Amino acid sequence: DAKTTQPNSMESNEEEPVHLPCNHSTISGTDYIHWYRQLPSQGPEYVIHGLTSNVNNRMASLAIAEDRKSSTLILHRATLRDAAVYYCILRTSGTYKYIFGTGTRLKVLA
Amino acid sequence: SAVISQKPSRDICQRGTSLTIQCQVDSQVTMMFWYRQQPGQSLTLIATANQGSEATYESGFVIDKFPISRPNLTFSTLTVSNMSPEDSSIYLCSVVGGTGTSGNTIYFGEGSWLTVV
Repeated sequence: DAKTTQPNSMESNEEEPVHLPCNHSTISGTDYIHWYRQLPSQGPEYVIHGLTSNVNNRMASLAIAEDRKSSTLILHRATLRDAAVYYCILRTSGTYKYIFGTGTRLKVLA
Repeated sequence: SAVISQKPSRDICQRGTSLTIQCQVDSQVTMMFWYRQQPGQSLTLIATANQGSEATYESGFVIDKFPISRPNLTFSTLTVSNMSPEDSSIYLCSVVGGTGTSGNTIYFGEGSWLTVV
């Protein structure tokens, strides 16, 4: 199973953009890149996913490197409610077996 | 997205006992999974709950310790048997989403927080 590497923690000021990086150098051509976040005392919440092209939704944007060996989750304006652990996960097309890494704990400063 | 309800949400259990966790989904789903999250750790997949057949367990997890049932497409149970303090964890049910773009994602319940004393 392909693995991902993320920084253990990051800090951001409220109202500022946040760029959360993820390295996945062993990604295969059929692996989707998924991002989830886990707020305190809750189950993981779907954020966004993509394959090759950059993706936008109401929660965030996903920027995928041209060689697909890395990606960045972008929160355009961090709020205190965005404080959570963010997980970058690879999912092989046709399967739903998710391998969670350690994630990045995002702290948002008021 | 599917709405997933888990029971119990929290419990304190005596060592040596067993506890069954229920997962109810508001719509029929093809795939259901059970995860464990130990204190301060990331999530680990326990097994895939298969409707009408035995669950498929990941390495390190066995049916005798974590028996799973899935009688239909909206319901599953996970039993944690002969519990020890090391079983203190959050147990999460997850399902594959619906059709279209959401069909590529899985959704999680709020989890069942178990403490074994």
